[in-house]
Amino acid sequence: NAGVTQTPKFRVLKTGQSMTLLCAQDMNHEYMYWYRQDPGMGLRLIHYSVGEGTTAKGEVPDGYNVSRLKKQNFLLGLESAAPSQTSVYFCASSYTPGRTSSGANVLTFGAGSRLTVL
Amino acid sequence: AQKVTQAQTEISVVEKEDVTLDCVYETRDTTYYLFWYKQPPSGELVFLIRRNSFDEQNEISGRYSWNFQKSTSSFNFTITASQVVDSAVYFCALSEEKGGSEKLVFGKGTKLTVNP
Repeated sequence: NAGVTQTPKFRVLKTGQSMTLLCAQDMNHEYMYWYRQDPGMGLRLIHYSVGEGTTAKGEVPDGYNVSRLKKQNFLLGLESAAPSQTSVYFCASSYTPGRTSSGANVLTFGAGSRLTVL
Repeated sequence: AQKVTQAQTEISVVEKEDVTLDCVYETRDTTYYLFWYKQPPSGELVFLIRRNSFDEQNEISGRYSWNFQKSTSSFNFTITASQVVDSAVYFCALSEEKGGSEKLVFGKGTKLTVNP
């Protein structure tokens, strides 16, 4: 069971470079999320998607773009990387939009991608 | 706005001690869900528990127990007889539902170190 797979796991960029983080899930989940984790800040939501072809902004969306062209993939892009975007990025997915009769969905997380911007 | 506060930034205990991690939340929702996740040194996030706002029963799972008190807006996590393998960062989170979509709001985490 692959679950949620993030690539790459590590990346070093120079200021101004662009890159894309790929998140893939094989659980047929509708919802996908991108979070960033910084020391002492917990996890903050960047963007999320409630289904194929949809995206929405989270708490800290500036400087990032996302796309969900296929249900199983959620891409996070940095068009012009800045040192403030040095972070660990986590992708997550959950089964259904909104709440089900069993309650709020449990998120399944990827292993994280460590990005350093010099 | 939804908010989760984990006031303890770091806790250090000696193996076999009991330890409680505090979590206080703010929400205007009448129906909400609370979660705890564990992040061991390897970095992955591991789901521990989900609790809904209508169920105030305490829960015990092995050495782990959770105390949910709506009156104080708290959802505290206790590890009994701690072990070195419990060393991790623990996150409390609150679900937020807006416009039919669900998102988690995380606290800043508590780093637990269990020393042998």
